[in-house]
Amino acid sequence: AQTVTQSQPEMSVQEAETVTLSCTYDTSESDYYLFWYKQPPSRQMILVIRQEAYKQQNATENRFSVNFQKAAKSFSLKISDSQLGDAAMYFCAYRSRPYSGGGADGLTFGKGTHLIIQP
Amino acid sequence: DGGITQSPKYLFRKEGQNVTLSCEQNLNHDAMYWYRQDPGQGLRLIYYSQIVNDFQKGDIAEGYSVSREKKESFPLTVTSAQKNPTAFYLCASSRGLVDTGELFFGEGSRLTVL
Repeated sequence: AQTVTQSQPEMSVQEAETVTLSCTYDTSESDYYLFWYKQPPSRQMILVIRQEAYKQQNATENRFSVNFQKAAKSFSLKISDSQLGDAAMYFCAYRSRPYSGGGADGLTFGKGTHLIIQP
Repeated sequence: DGGITQSPKYLFRKEGQNVTLSCEQNLNHDAMYWYRQDPGQGLRLIYYSQIVNDFQKGDIAEGYSVSREKKESFPLTVTSAQKNPTAFYLCASSRGLVDTGELFFGEGSRLTVL
């Protein structure tokens, strides 16, 4: 079974600065997806960014980018120019490639990092 | 607008009662999922269904039951056998065979056992 570890229960950053959230995972698979989801106080889960394991290029979405290190099984999220609206819980998640004949489907989540933005 | 609708948003139940949480999607997605979220925990998978009339247990299925009679609907029943049912429940869906990996989530249902 896969596991996802987020070692930072809480992070704090000044508005307009850059912050990096850490995530490591454990798997024996070679083809999979990795995600960062954001959960604001409304509790709605919002996809921030996705990465396919076979793509070497790190994914980027506006101010959000990842550092994907497949050999090290590391998947960190960098948020540039932090804004007050970025304050939320951030969850790292893993998914095996679906319908590949492997094990269970669905996302495996880390326990989350609470991001605080200081004005 | 396409999306996932969960109801009710808040639900209170007495110990020993079964309760059913509704999840409906109009995204034409094949796969649907139920997750449970507790304070300080990530989301944990209860059940999932990749196709109508079929579903599989997730990591914490004990005390829960589901059905998938229609593509759009995946209700979750929290039975009296669930020892600690107070939690936040999230329903999700994904495209299925032509899948880009991500799950789309509803707004959640908060269940409190009195």
